Amino acid sequence: KQEVTQIPAALSVPEGENLVLNCSFTDSAIYNLQWFRQDPGKGLTSLLLIQSSQREQTSGRLNASLDKSSGRSTLYIAASQPGDSATYLCAVRLNTGNQFYFGTGTSLTVIP
Amino acid sequence: NAGVTQTPKFRILKIGQSMTLQCAQDMNHNYMYWYRQDPGMGLKLIYYSVGAGITDKGEVPNGYNVSRSTTEDFPLRLELAAPSQTSVYFCASTGVPGELFFGEGSRLTVL
Repeated sequence: KQEVTQIPAALSVPEGENLVLNCSFTDSAIYNLQWFRQDPGKGLTSLLLIQSSQREQTSGRLNASLDKSSGRSTLYIAASQPGDSATYLCAVRLNTGNQFYFGTGTSLTVIP
Repeated sequence: NAGVTQTPKFRILKIGQSMTLQCAQDMNHNYMYWYRQDPGMGLKLIYYSVGAGITDKGEVPNGYNVSRSTTEDFPLRLELAAPSQTSVYFCASTGVPGELFFGEGSRLTVL
């Protein structure tokens, strides 16, 4: 079974700082990896999707990388803002089966 | 763009009552999923469907039932509600190229 781990569980940074969130997975035979944002009391919003053949994806101040061989993905947030405060989750889909495997998320607080 | 729509957003049930959480998507996605999220916990898969007429159990199916009569709709039925089913329920769907989209969630309290 695929295990997905996100460390740290919580992170607090001052506004303007660049930061990296980590996502590790145990089975490298992945179909894709997706990063989500969840605000309190809300649903999950898709941020970036990386296909198995890709190394990274970028959207605005966000950049996600994928290293299948080491079982790792990182989400880089540039010039953090208070509005970035949320929980960030990663999810992995394997080449076989139809399920997604989620990490438990990193709760990010950006201090003004 | 409606995406994935869940109703109701909030519901309070008494122990032993039954209800159906509705989920509809307008993206013509074949794959649909039901998850529950408990405070401080990760998402747990309840049931999923790979197409109309096909459903399969996830990690925590006990106490729930689903049906998939159309591509668009994937309702989740709770039979004989129990306090352990107090949770936030999310419906999600995906197609090609595999991006997963979520609804806003349905917050259920069983008293």
